[in-house]
Amino acid sequence: EVVLTQSPGTLSLSPGERATLSCRASQSVSSSYLAWYQQKPGQAPRLLIYGASSRATGIPDRFSGSGSGTDFTLTISRLEPEDFAMYYCQQFGSSQYSFGQGTKLEIK
Amino acid sequence: QVQLQESGPGLVKPSQTLSLTCTVSGGSISSGSYYWSWIRQPAGKGLEWIGRIYTSGSTNYNPSLKSRVTISVDTSENQFSLKLSSVTVADTAVYYCARNWNYAFDIWGQGTMVTVS
Repeated sequence: EVVLTQSPGTLSLSPGERATLSCRASQSVSSSYLAWYQQKPGQAPRLLIYGASSRATGIPDRFSGSGSGTDFTLTISRLEPEDFAMYYCQQFGSSQYSFGQGTKLEIK
Repeated sequence: QVQLQESGPGLVKPSQTLSLTCTVSGGSISSGSYYWSWIRQPAGKGLEWIGRIYTSGSTNYNPSLKSRVTISVDTSENQFSLKLSSVTVADTAVYYCARNWNYAFDIWGQGTMVTVS
């Protein structure tokens, strides 16, 4: 089973700043199989990034994903007020999916 | 566009079987090469993938839940379903159904809260 560890647990930033969220896998993950989600309270998660670096439909270009192997990053270039939320990474491998424990992005 | 909607009892007694259905609207569950998944989230906690099904009936389950989970599909009703047996309070969560696409989950239902008590 691949374990995904996200850091930091909580990130406190101000609107307009740059956010960098990390997702580390316990073993190598194919870049094609790594995704990122945003979740706001009371809502279902929303797909942001798939294939490690491809933005899903309708996702603003301030969101970008990068990485390979065991280290992946979600970057939000200039934070907007609506970006403060929980973020999860997710991987697929051996016909199984798993999620990281999440990073809470909060307003400083 | 395709939408998903979960339905089922919001309260289940311990040791009984949790049963949920996901109805697909705006498109056929059989069109395209999609898997369909169940995911859950206890209050204040992270996401846990439960399992997935292809429209052929082929399934994959989370090993930690495999002994208690059954996912089935009814293409005539455009639905897929989850059964989780021998539930305990630890199974209390919001349950989501979702469509698999490019090894991610691109469409989600709104979620349904299930309490075991």
